[in-house]
Amino acid sequence: QVYLHESGPGLVKSSEALSLICSVSGASIKADDYYWSWIRQSPGKGLEWIGYIHYSGDTYYTPSLKSQVSMSLDTSNNCFSLELNSVTAADTAVYFCVRDFRDEGGNSVGLDVWGQGTFVSVSS
Amino acid sequence: DIQMTQSPSSVSASIGDRVTITCRASQAIGSWLAWYQQKPGRAPTLLIHTSSSLQSGVPSRFSGSGSGTEFTLTISGLQAEDFSIYYCQQSNSFPWTFGQGTKVEI
Repeated sequence: QVYLHESGPGLVKSSEALSLICSVSGASIKADDYYWSWIRQSPGKGLEWIGYIHYSGDTYYTPSLKSQVSMSLDTSNNCFSLELNSVTAADTAVYFCVRDFRDEGGNSVGLDVWGQGTFVSVSS
Repeated sequence: DIQMTQSPSSVSASIGDRVTITCRASQAIGSWLAWYQQKPGRAPTLLIHTSSSLQSGVPSRFSGSGSGTEFTLTISGLQAEDFSIYYCQQSNSFPWTFGQGTKVEI
């Protein structure tokens, strides 16, 4: 059974950086088939896909957040992380780490494993 | 970005009913469409991928169809545990985008 678990501060001050870690158990983050994503959910904007990172070093960040976002892998601890800089109230959301399973052609066959989510509030 | 539009936004149904949810993409996405179920306070779970493939462990009363720009999720014989919010998501082109959700309620 594969489990993902997000950890990080629940409260971040406006203009500072939000940092979250996703611990993965039951699967290796070095597997070719898995891309590791972050998704957030806020009442105003629904589900928003932030981007992914792959063991190969391949990353993609959604254009609207590209200037703020950075993702990295820690293979020693089988985890990956999200950093979102210069946060504002609009970044208040539940953040999910998610496994994106790809087929041999690199096509996504679904976001098949989700962490429980962690709520991050941005205060002024 | 590809915009995903679900209809209806909410639907009232009873146990045993057949429920159909539609998802429309703003441009053709082939069959790169997935459906998720989300219960209050929980993360979404994958029901269907590539338009019609049932994810392992998902009951067969869930089915999906469609290609191009129009897709449907059907629940045949609604059960009590199916009252949730359902989301579609495209993975044809980056960034992946989701529909706004459809709430299935009593």
